Amino acid sequence: RKEVEQDPGPFNVPEGATVAFNCTYSNSASQSFFWYRQDCRKEPKLLMSVYSSGNEDGRFTAQLNRASQYISLLIRDSKLSDSATYLCVVNHGNNDMRFGAGTRLTVKP
Amino acid sequence: GAVVSQHPSRVICKSGTSVKIECRSLDFQATTMFWYRQFPKQSLMLMATSNEGSKATYEQGVEKDKFLINHASLTLSTLTVTSAHPEDSSFYICSARVGSLSTDTQYFGPGTRLTVL
Repeated sequence: RKEVEQDPGPFNVPEGATVAFNCTYSNSASQSFFWYRQDCRKEPKLLMSVYSSGNEDGRFTAQLNRASQYISLLIRDSKLSDSATYLCVVNHGNNDMRFGAGTRLTVKP
Repeated sequence: GAVVSQHPSRVICKSGTSVKIECRSLDFQATTMFWYRQFPKQSLMLMATSNEGSKATYEQGVEKDKFLINHASLTLSTLTVTSAHPEDSSFYICSARVGSLSTDTQYFGPGTRLTVL
């Protein structure tokens, strides 16, 4: 089993749609969690950290369920510019960050 | 957010040559930098952790004599791919951690695309 698992997609949605990505992780001792965005042939960029209480940044909402070892990202009112690969990242501490393989999103007009 | 640069952004070399990649933190001091490798349609894989003033810590399966890492200052780490072969062709990305906690956020450089002919 992979340490961080994501549905690879692709998710093809129309502009304005709401889309949700899920991620599960295997190490129950994981300490911090992030969603990164990676555009084609570019480096990952931090989208948001994920907290147990849930957090929202504009159209993006992230949730963490430690008991189920599950992380989610919800994007509302999708824009064309949201098209990218979304990486779930789990930090085990001690500089040990594990990346999911990413979920690819394409938003179409 | 913090800015991390890499140079070069793209390099093509012949098999058997060595390639040096630089990673710089531009607006902060990074005691710890990380080197990742990403093959097409795969996730980032940590190669090594680079600590300023000390030896790098390599992940299992990564040859330290092939991938030489030097972190001589708080703003610069270098990765040298020695005697490169076509299977070393990949996207190499560095990151730098902001802060001293192991759970602090990492910011990534723009990556270096290496093609070995």
